[in-house]
Amino acid sequence: AQSVTQPDIHITVSEGASLELRCNYSYGATPYLFWYVQSPGQGLQLLLKYFSGDTLVQGIKGFEAEFKRSQSSFNLRKPSVHWSDAAEYFCAVGGSSNTGKLIFGQGTTLQVKP
Amino acid sequence: DGGITQSPKYLFRKEGQNVTLSCEQNLNHDAMYWYRQDPGQGLRLIYYSQIVNDFQKGDIAEGYSVSREKKESFPLTVTSAQKNPTAFYLCASSIDLWTSSNEQFFGPGTRLTVL
Repeated sequence: AQSVTQPDIHITVSEGASLELRCNYSYGATPYLFWYVQSPGQGLQLLLKYFSGDTLVQGIKGFEAEFKRSQSSFNLRKPSVHWSDAAEYFCAVGGSSNTGKLIFGQGTTLQVKP
Repeated sequence: DGGITQSPKYLFRKEGQNVTLSCEQNLNHDAMYWYRQDPGQGLRLIYYSQIVNDFQKGDIAEGYSVSREKKESFPLTVTSAQKNPTAFYLCASSIDLWTSSNEQFFGPGTRLTVL
């Protein structure tokens, strides 16, 4: 069965520091992978997605993610974090059998220290 | 602007009452979804629909019902059979159900509290 694991429930970084949020997936075929961000009390916004091609994907707000098939990972990175990046981040994998359903990880809450 | 709207933003319910959460989209998407979000549990799929007058149970459908009479609308009813309905509910849509690379677009959510 498909699954997504985000090992870090909560991460705190200083403003201006680099960030990496981890995501590991379990899926038999080529996965379709997504990162979403959620501000408190809001819906989810897509940061970036991967489904083929270059394994380094650029997204909005200065985020990027790298697909590593050998490690079953799709980690999200940002070189310099801003206070406005404080939010909850979700990794998701596209459903099997050609469905549009997504399987979400449990989320990682990012806190940014001034 | 195209997007998804959910109403109300906050909803309070007494035990034993049914309540209906609204979800409307003007993206011309075929597929729509309802998720429930609880702290530390990510998003769990309640129901999804690929087309008008058709919908499927997700992972946690017990105590919920939906309808899809119009392409743009996918209301969710939380019935009195739902044992623990207090949660944040998110509606989403995508172009269709059959393309795994399609991203889902999310509404702003409805926070339901049972008093």
